[in-house]
Amino acid sequence: NAGVTQTPKFQVLKTGQSMTLQCAQDMNHNSMYWYRQDPGMGLRLIYYSASEGTTDKGEVPNGYNVSRLNKREFSLRLESAAPSQTSVYFCASSSNQRRGNTIYFGEGSWLTVV
Amino acid sequence: TQLLEQSPQFLSIQEGENLTVYCNSSSVFSSLQWYRQEPGEGPVLLVTVVTGGEVKKLKRLTFQFGDARKDSSLHITAAQPGDTGLYLCAGGDYGGSQGNLIFGKGTKLSVKP
Repeated sequence: NAGVTQTPKFQVLKTGQSMTLQCAQDMNHNSMYWYRQDPGMGLRLIYYSASEGTTDKGEVPNGYNVSRLNKREFSLRLESAAPSQTSVYFCASSSNQRRGNTIYFGEGSWLTVV
Repeated sequence: TQLLEQSPQFLSIQEGENLTVYCNSSSVFSSLQWYRQEPGEGPVLLVTVVTGGEVKKLKRLTFQFGDARKDSSLHITAAQPGDTGLYLCAGGDYGGSQGNLIFGKGTKLSVKP
């Protein structure tokens, strides 16, 4: 089973360039998330989508936009990349937002902004 | 702002040793989850605890949720090299929204043969 699939796996951008990280899940989950993981900072929530058609800001939304394209897909866009956005990005999904619900993560996208 | 503090940050032990990892907060959480992350991969859920004082066992791993639901511990008995990885705790807020799941910074465990 594919689970949560995100692309690309690796990307190098120049400051000011734009790009979109793609994410798709095949588990028929309602909720999807984008996190970033930085050394010494842990996982921080960028945006989430509780259900198709809704999106909400997380802890660190500045510099990012998201689109919940349909139930399966949730993309993350960097409009004008900055070196501070160098990070590992994880897409995740869960069946709903009830407490204790399992979140399934993708394998990560390594982004470097030079 | 809710924070989860994990300790120790790094832990290097020999195969067969026991260890305990701690996850502490001044805030009350409605649930507490533990994840393990291996290099180059995303975190994978190990366990969820939701009741104060709850203890769950997963083979050689024992998880406990504090009585006041502010802290948790992970104890590994007879560690093996396969236990190597980053262990993350994550707390759900009292409102129960997964969108407000708070992650600790993690404990990086290395088990040497």
